Amino acid sequence: NAGVMQNPRHLVRRRGQEARLRCSPMKGHSHVYWYRQLPEEGLKFMVYLQKENIIDESGMPKERFSAEFPKEGPSILRIQQVVRGDSAAYFCASSPLPGELFFGEGSRLTVL
Amino acid sequence: AQTVTQSQPEMSVQEAETVTLSCTYDTSESDYYLFWYKQPPSRQMILVIRQEAYKQQNATENRFSVNFQKAAKSFSLKISDSQLGDAAMYFCAYRFLFQGAQKLVFGQGTRLTINP
Repeated sequence: NAGVMQNPRHLVRRRGQEARLRCSPMKGHSHVYWYRQLPEEGLKFMVYLQKENIIDESGMPKERFSAEFPKEGPSILRIQQVVRGDSAAYFCASSPLPGELFFGEGSRLTVL
Repeated sequence: AQTVTQSQPEMSVQEAETVTLSCTYDTSESDYYLFWYKQPPSRQMILVIRQEAYKQQNATENRFSVNFQKAAKSFSLKISDSQLGDAAMYFCAYRFLFQGAQKLVFGQGTRLTINP
């Protein structure tokens, strides 16, 4: 049973470009969470999604950030017009609710 | 608001010795879970141990055990017989349900160094 798969593992973007991070949950998991980790900090909650629904986006910046989890395919975290402050590791976790959160290996975004 | 505090940014221990990492949290909930996650240089978040708040017995996983003091809102991690592979960032986390969503709140982390 494959774990949570995130790609790309590393992404480099210039300021103003768009970043798309993908997350495939574990088989049988229909709940996806995105977290952001800034250097030397813990993970901060961004958004919680179920298939085709955003349940809680209280941790998402109001502008430039969006997330989706379509009926088919991976969950996608999209960051438009990236700025240097967006450089971070973005982690996806999935779970069968109720249950444990299983984390992917993260996607590291570097904005030049 | 739920918060998790790890007051030790860095800790070090000699190989084969025992080390305790501290964690305190603030909540008004009665039903919640507490976790310790390990993050090695590979950056993956690895679950080390978890504790259900309703259980009085402290959780144990091989060389890892916790001291859960619910009244004091304290949740420390003890690593016995430390090994070089234990070197990592350790994050304490608190999980609760809010409006159907599992909220996981992390502490700032403690960087553990193992001295050979």
